[in-house]
Amino acid sequence: KQEVTQIPAALSVPEGENLVLNCSFTDSAIYNLQWFRQDPGKGLTSLLLIQSSQREQTSGRLNASLDKSSGRSTLYIAASQPGDSATYLCAVRHNTDKLIFGTGTRLQVFP
Amino acid sequence: DAGVIQSPRHEVTEMGQEVTLRCKPISGHNSLFWYRQTMMRGLELLIYFNNNVPIDDSGMPEDRFSAKMPNASFSTLKIQPSEPRDSAVYFCASSFIPTETQYFGPGTRLLVL
Repeated sequence: KQEVTQIPAALSVPEGENLVLNCSFTDSAIYNLQWFRQDPGKGLTSLLLIQSSQREQTSGRLNASLDKSSGRSTLYIAASQPGDSATYLCAVRHNTDKLIFGTGTRLQVFP
Repeated sequence: DAGVIQSPRHEVTEMGQEVTLRCKPISGHNSLFWYRQTMMRGLELLIYFNNNVPIDDSGMPEDRFSAKMPNASFSTLKIQPSEPRDSAVYFCASSFIPTETQYFGPGTRLLVL
């Protein structure tokens, strides 16, 4: 059974710092991996999707990498801003259509 | 496009009552997903549809839960009878094809007293 874990569970950093969020999964036979952002009381917003054949994806200040063989993905946020404060979730998909979500990292960026 | 639309946004009901949650997916999307989010269990897939057909309902907790998708632009998730442990945020999401990016609605926050 696939298990997805995110470390750390919570993170508080000053504005301007570069930071890394970690996601690990137990079954490496994934189809793709997706990173989401969730603001309090809101739905999820997709940030990046990495296919199993890809090593990384970039969007603005965000960079997500995937090491399928070791069961790991990282989300790198450059020059963090208070507006980045949210919960970040990773989710993996096998050949079925199900997304298995991680436990989330709650990020706070203070001015 | 307005995105995925869910209604109601908040629902407070008493134990034993029927609850119906509604979802309108993004136009042109062929796949629709219902999720439940709680502090204890995180985000869990309940059921998903592809081309209006239920594909996997293994996440539906028990017979009290049912979901329908009568057409490509509307789906319902029904709980009858509701129980306090059903209190959660229920999300609907849609995607163009099942394996690509899912777009989430704002969720329905359900409280069963």
